[in-house]
Order: sequence, then structure tokens, then C-alpha cells
Amino acid sequence: DIQVTQSPSVLSASVGDRVTLNCKASHNINKYLNWYQQKLGEAPKLLMYNTNNIQTGIPLRFSGSGSGTDYTLTISSLQPEDVATYFCFQHNVWPLTFGSGTKLEIK
Amino acid sequence: EVQLVESGGGLVQPGSPLKLSCAASGFTFSSNWLNWIRQAPGKGLEWVASINPDGRRTYYPDTVKGRFVVSKDNAKNTGYLQMNNLRSEDTAMYYCARSDRTPFDYWGQGVMVTVSS
Repeated sequence: DIQVTQSPSVLSASVGDRVTLNCKASHNINKYLNWYQQKLGEAPKLLMYNTNNIQTGIPLRFSGSGSGTDYTLTISSLQPEDVATYFCFQHNVWPLTFGSGTKLEIK
Repeated sequence: EVQLVESGGGLVQPGSPLKLSCAASGFTFSSNWLNWIRQAPGKGLEWVASINPDGRRTYYPDTVKGRFVVSKDNAKNTGYLQMNNLRSEDTAMYYCARSDRTPFDYWGQGVMVTVSS
């Protein structure tokens, strides 16, 4: 099974900061990496698919990059509404696996 | 508007069965994969089951293989997750989610399953 490791587990930043979340897979996942945002008490929402394709309706301050085993989600200017837990997810091979999440907080 | 609405959750005893439903609307249900993902209280996300558009292929992780069965009725626009021999570690919020050009592009609001004596 492919293990997916996210870092950091908790990230505290100020409004307007550039924020980077990391995701590392145990094997090459060929850019089949999605990012989901989950706000408190809500269902997860798709932000980014296949590394760098932004889902319809998602603000353009979100961007994704990476290849092989290493991937990042970047928020160019952190907004208060971005407070959430972010999960990365690989769908290159079965079984499909999620990272354990990065909780993003505002300082 | 794409909508997915789960139902059928509740409190059950260990070893009991339970069947969840996922009612879909706003898209061509017969053209999409259907998936189930769960989240234990305060924990992360775990993929539980997937079924292809015509219902002929199913996939599971080892944690539920042999106990859970995913199905879909394209005529009723509804998906199902039959859960057998439930364990305390199956306690979680269960979400159904659609796959279109990518996995899990739309999610339902979730349904809670609690396994306890």
C-alpha cells in the first residue's frame, strides 16, 4: 500500500501570509494527487485534482505542484475562511489512501 | 446541482449488520463511480469502498474486505453500503462521494454509524 505523509500536522499563520502544505508518498504516484479541504463540522470539499488542476469555484489563491513522491498545496495569501484541515489523497493505485491531514490555523 | 444524501446510520451492537443508502440527484448517476469514505471521531479520512458506473467492479481496502459490500441501483439513482459483522472500530461518519473526472469531486453531508454494546 502507498503511504501518504503530510507535514506539518498543524500550521499557524497570519492573514495574508503565503502558506505551503506538504504531502509525501511512499512511492511514485504519477501526479494522481488530490487535495481536500474540510471545515469544522462539514464534509470535505475537493480543492485540487491531479496535482495542479483547480476545482471549479475554488479561489485562485490556491495552487498545487509536485511530481513523483513530493507534492505541495500553496495558498498565496491566507484568508480567515481558509481555516480548515487539509487532506491530500493518492489515486494512482488501489487501495486509495489519504494523508493524515494538516490543520491550518490563523495566528 | 449535484446532491448526495446519505441515510441509514445509527447505533448498532458489535456483530450486527447495517445498510447505508446514498440518494443521488443533479447528474447522470449511471455514468459515475460511487464511493464511500469514513471518518472516525476526531480522526482523518479513510476510503472504504468504490463501485464502477455499471456496478460490475468493486474495490475495498483490507480493513473492510469481506465484511462490507458496495452496490448501486442506477434505476433508482441510489448507492448502498451493506456493512456486516460491525466492530467498534467501524464507528465513524460515513460519506458517499461521486467520482467524475477525478475521485470524490462531490460529497454528501455524511451519516453517523456507532457500534457499541
